Amino acid sequence: QSVLIQPPSVSGTPGQRVTISCSGSNSNIGSYHLYWYQQLPGTAPKLLIYRNDQRPSGVPDRFSGSKSGTSASLAISGLRSEDEADYYCAAWDDSLSGWVFGGGTKLTVL
Amino acid sequence: EVQLVESGGGLVQPGRSLRLSCAASGFTFDDYAMHWVRQAPGKGLEWVSGISWQSASIGYADSVKGRFTISRDNAKNSLYLQMNDLRVEDTALYHCAKARTATIRDLFDYWGQGTLVTVSS
Repeated sequence: QSVLIQPPSVSGTPGQRVTISCSGSNSNIGSYHLYWYQQLPGTAPKLLIYRNDQRPSGVPDRFSGSKSGTSASLAISGLRSEDEADYYCAAWDDSLSGWVFGGGTKLTVL
Repeated sequence: EVQLVESGGGLVQPGRSLRLSCAASGFTFDDYAMHWVRQAPGKGLEWVSGISWQSASIGYADSVKGRFTISRDNAKNSLYLQMNDLRVEDTALYHCAKARTATIRDLFDYWGQGTLVTVSS
């Protein structure tokens, strides 16, 4: 059981908007920034969102992040087939003195 | 261009040891914290350990504490993970990851492709 809770899977059709939730506690999301990573099949994870809602250069503005209290979400608008991947949230956890990840959400583009 | 190349993985019996290495290039290695993150086959990501820029701050996941030791050699632009008393549940792809700043509390912004560790009798 992961410390951060994500839905195992979400799906959508091309052009649609989907959201992926990430739920934690005061010791992680409630106190620290939340990050999102995208892992395409067979590749290393790639930073998608940092500091809750910031996009690294090169990440399309179709991807957006938000955080409220001990929960966060990743929204993907204008869904494309190449967005099909696993998405992970991550945060520092004070109680564990280490990084914690969500279990990952598999996005399927129908 | 940031490059992180892991090596040292392989097949090892339970209870034995293995040392992983990560060769870094494309950035000033000793300015940044570094981490090891693993992914068991078909599973999610798990943080293993992190080390700050001058090794003053080190952290471990509870699952590896007391068995794994992280270290770095800034002169060689290299990160290491000494893994002792390996268990079947340590089987995973081990990624080296660069932190965004010198502290282990900052996010990982670049990842290597990983080296596979298989623990089996």
